[in-house]
Amino acid sequence: QQQVKQSPQSLIVQKGGIPIINCAYENTAFDYFPWYQQFPGKGPALLIAIRPDVSEKKEGRFTISFNKSAKQFSLHIMDSQPGDSATYFCAAILNTGGFKTIFGAGTRLFVKA
Amino acid sequence: NAGVTQTPKFRILKIGQSMTLQCTQDMNHNYMYWYRQDPGMGLKLIYYSVGAGITDKGEVPNGYNVSRSTTEDFPLRLELAAPSQTSVYFCASSDRGQETQYFGPGTRLLVL
Repeated sequence: QQQVKQSPQSLIVQKGGIPIINCAYENTAFDYFPWYQQFPGKGPALLIAIRPDVSEKKEGRFTISFNKSAKQFSLHIMDSQPGDSATYFCAAILNTGGFKTIFGAGTRLFVKA
Repeated sequence: NAGVTQTPKFRILKIGQSMTLQCTQDMNHNYMYWYRQDPGMGLKLIYYSVGAGITDKGEVPNGYNVSRSTTEDFPLRLELAAPSQTSVYFCASSDRGQETQYFGPGTRLLVL
């Protein structure tokens, strides 16, 4: 019930393509859903996040789509660039006094020039 | 601001040795977290703290201990290192009431 399932494990797209990464969760108590971007040798950095009462959020070229009834959410990267090549993690957060974060397994994205 | 800093960057331990991974943040954040990241996997929460003197277990606390005597520091202790603890360890912090976590650069630990 605490798991967050992420797919695909890896993704290769051409420059300008729109990679889509999907995540699913089971615990309806999660109340915040961030996406993190991680470059090799670095810690994850917050990219964009959404709350479950919102169906879509856009920030620049990054969009989260959220389907509360299906308990699924996805990240879309518009006009992808080689610099977007990184590992992307979805996460789900439980507010337990602290913020208990459950991460997906990650998606390695490679954008071909 | 340096943000979240971690030391050491890399360490090799022998089975049964102990060590402390250091984590310091200069953002005056109340909440701090320790995660481990195994190859090809997401991050697993080990312990977290909502303030000085308060800590709680995450998903994978076995084999680790933490303390939080100040707002700035949140050290992670391995008492009897095991090969299964070979991983990259990340410390993170967040402000009270804010879900956004800021991560340190990580400590790579190899237990042989």
